[in-house]
Amino acid sequence: GQNIDQPTEMTATEGAIVQINCTYQTSGFNGLFWYQQHAGEAPTFLSYNVLDGLEEKGRFSSFLSRSKGYSYLLLKELQMKDSASYLCAVSNSNYQLIWGAGTKLIIKP
Amino acid sequence: GAVVSQHPSWVICKSGTSVKIECRSLDFQATTMFWYRQFPKQSLMLMATSNEGSKATYEQGVEKDKFLINHASLTLSTLTVTSAHPEDSSFYICSAPPVGHTASGANVLTFGAGSRLTVL
Repeated sequence: GQNIDQPTEMTATEGAIVQINCTYQTSGFNGLFWYQQHAGEAPTFLSYNVLDGLEEKGRFSSFLSRSKGYSYLLLKELQMKDSASYLCAVSNSNYQLIWGAGTKLIIKP
Repeated sequence: GAVVSQHPSWVICKSGTSVKIECRSLDFQATTMFWYRQFPKQSLMLMATSNEGSKATYEQGVEKDKFLINHASLTLSTLTVTSAHPEDSSFYICSAPPVGHTASGANVLTFGAGSRLTVL
């Protein structure tokens, strides 16, 4: 079967750094997405990785290792507004998006 | 940027009634629209894929007679939950891959704001 695993919940302190991990097993691979979803709202796009390595975009970075079926999202200089769920999604060989259940990130002052 | 307008944002209805949810692409043509359902603290679950001018493709386990999907034009797709029951209460989200909005070649989905359905 196909599955995406990510931690259910994480807690971090304002101003700190947090890393959210995602491991996947899918039928084929055409890229991995990270989305941010605030409670009661639709997801918004954060990043996309299709090659191994680190993609940096401001305070957010995303890393991919295809051989390990592993990705992480790194959030630096955490702000209270970063409190949200972070969804990992993989595009498989049919370009279908397989979604993780999301990691709820709680930021404390 | 690409925008998908979804409404209603929330709806409360009685059991047995039908509810229609609309998604419109405002500044691009959406030949494809994905319809998702999300229960609290759970992942997005793809229900069906609608394509303009053809029948929708439903995922396994999704009743096509209960969840009617119509892709009437290149800018409008609708989901009708027929004879709704309390177990249909959920967050329904549409999304479309707008042509030209890519990240390293991949189509980044643009999501509607979502519709929260509560069936009493």
